Amino acid sequence: GQNIDQPTEMTATEGAIVQINCTYQTSGFNGLFWYQQHAGEAPTFLSYNVLDGLEEKGRFSSFLSRSKGYSYLLLKELQMKDSASYLCAVLDSNYQLIWGAGTKLIIKP
Amino acid sequence: GAVVSQHPSRVICKSGTSVKIECRSLDFQATTMFWYRQFPKKSLMLMATSNEGSKATYEQGVEKDKFLINHASLTLSTLTVTSAHPEDSSFYICSAGREGMNTEAFFGQGTRLTVV
Repeated sequence: GQNIDQPTEMTATEGAIVQINCTYQTSGFNGLFWYQQHAGEAPTFLSYNVLDGLEEKGRFSSFLSRSKGYSYLLLKELQMKDSASYLCAVLDSNYQLIWGAGTKLIIKP
Repeated sequence: GAVVSQHPSRVICKSGTSVKIECRSLDFQATTMFWYRQFPKKSLMLMATSNEGSKATYEQGVEKDKFLINHASLTLSTLTVTSAHPEDSSFYICSAGREGMNTEAFFGQGTRLTVV
C-alpha cells in the first residue's frame, strides 16, 4: 500500500529553527509537495521537489532524497504565524496526490 | 498564481436537505478537479476526481449517489450532498489542475458544512 509518515505534532520556540520530516512509500513518484494549512482554511502551497537536494525559498527550505523516500521541511526564524499544520503529499505514478496526516506545529513565545 | 474559488465558505442546513458546493477556476481551464473531505485534525481524504465532460471517478467507500459531482465546463465543478445527515458535517475542499501540469494543486477556500 501507499504510505506517508510525518510526526503528529511538534513544538518550537519563536525565532528558532524546526525541521519537519516526511517519509513515503508510494507506487511511483512524480514529486513531493509541502503545504501549510491554518485551522479552518484550505492548504496553501509551500514547495515542490522532484529532484534530490535542497530547495530554498526565503525562511522555508525543502529537501528530498528519492533513494531514501525521505523529505523534510525546514522553517527558520520561526514566527507565531507559522503555527499551523504542515502537510506532506506525494504525486504517485498516476499523478494522484497521496497525503500525509499532517504535522501540527506549535510555536511558543 | 492560479486562483480557485469555492462557494459557499460556510453552510448550515437541515437534515434531509441537499446542499450544492461550487468550485470555479478563475484564470485557467481546469480539465481535472478533485474533491476532498477533511475531518477535524485529519488530513485530506480524496472523495472523487472529476474530469470535464465525463463522469466522476469516486474513491472506494464514497457513495456516488449521495455525493453528486458535475463538471459541466472547464471552469466549474459542483459537489451536491444529497439528503444530508449530521454525519456529513465536515470541511469540503476542491482543488483544480491544468492539463499537463504536474506541479502544485490549486485549492479552493473550502466549505464548512454543518447539518443540523
